Amino acid sequence: DVKVTQSSRYLVKRTGEKVFLECVQDMDHENMFWYRQDPGLGLRLIYFSYDVKMKEKGDIPEGYSVSREKKERFSLILESASTNQTSMYLCASSHRGLYQETQYFGPGTRLLVL
Amino acid sequence: AQSVTQLDSQVPVFEEAPVELRCNYSSSVSVYLFWYVQYPNQGLQLLLKYLSGSTLVKGINGFEAEFNKSQTSFHLRKPSVHISDTAEYFCAVSDRKLTGGGNKLTFGTGTQLKVEL
Repeated sequence: DVKVTQSSRYLVKRTGEKVFLECVQDMDHENMFWYRQDPGLGLRLIYFSYDVKMKEKGDIPEGYSVSREKKERFSLILESASTNQTSMYLCASSHRGLYQETQYFGPGTRLLVL
Repeated sequence: AQSVTQLDSQVPVFEEAPVELRCNYSSSVSVYLFWYVQYPNQGLQLLLKYLSGSTLVKGINGFEAEFNKSQTSFHLRKPSVHISDTAEYFCAVSDRKLTGGGNKLTFGTGTQLKVEL
């Protein structure tokens, strides 16, 4: 079974802090994604990565950065957390096949910024 | 650019009754379509997907969906729901790609299915 793990289920941070959210997958997937999920807005893509050291902006990259130094790990960084970044963050991974491949999701990290 | 509309934010239904969750999409190119489910305090998992071929797609847990190109819809159905089907359901769309590469998904805003006794 594909397993996508996220470093924390719940995080509480203060405004201005630097926040790291870690995601690890164990299926050798090329693609990895970071989404945020907010009530009434569904999932919105923040950043994604097709390969090690490669990254592309999603729909809402402002205030975030990412790092992918190893294939299995994809980190989301909030350089200076703000209250409007309070949200559920979901990581996903998928194989880079010829056609559309299923995305597998982690359990999510619920971040509260005070 | 694609978009997905899930008009119903909440759908209450009694156990053993049938249910339909609606999804409409907009895209200028051919698409792949997905339904994901999110149980409380969990990540999303794939219910079913339409890539090509038969427009009626069967998924896990007795769910099915029908791709209707003329109506740009991909409604999810189950003939008899169970209390354990209570969850949030997300419809998603992706551009068709014939070469390898990223598979960005655009999600709808979700439909909360609440099954009552």
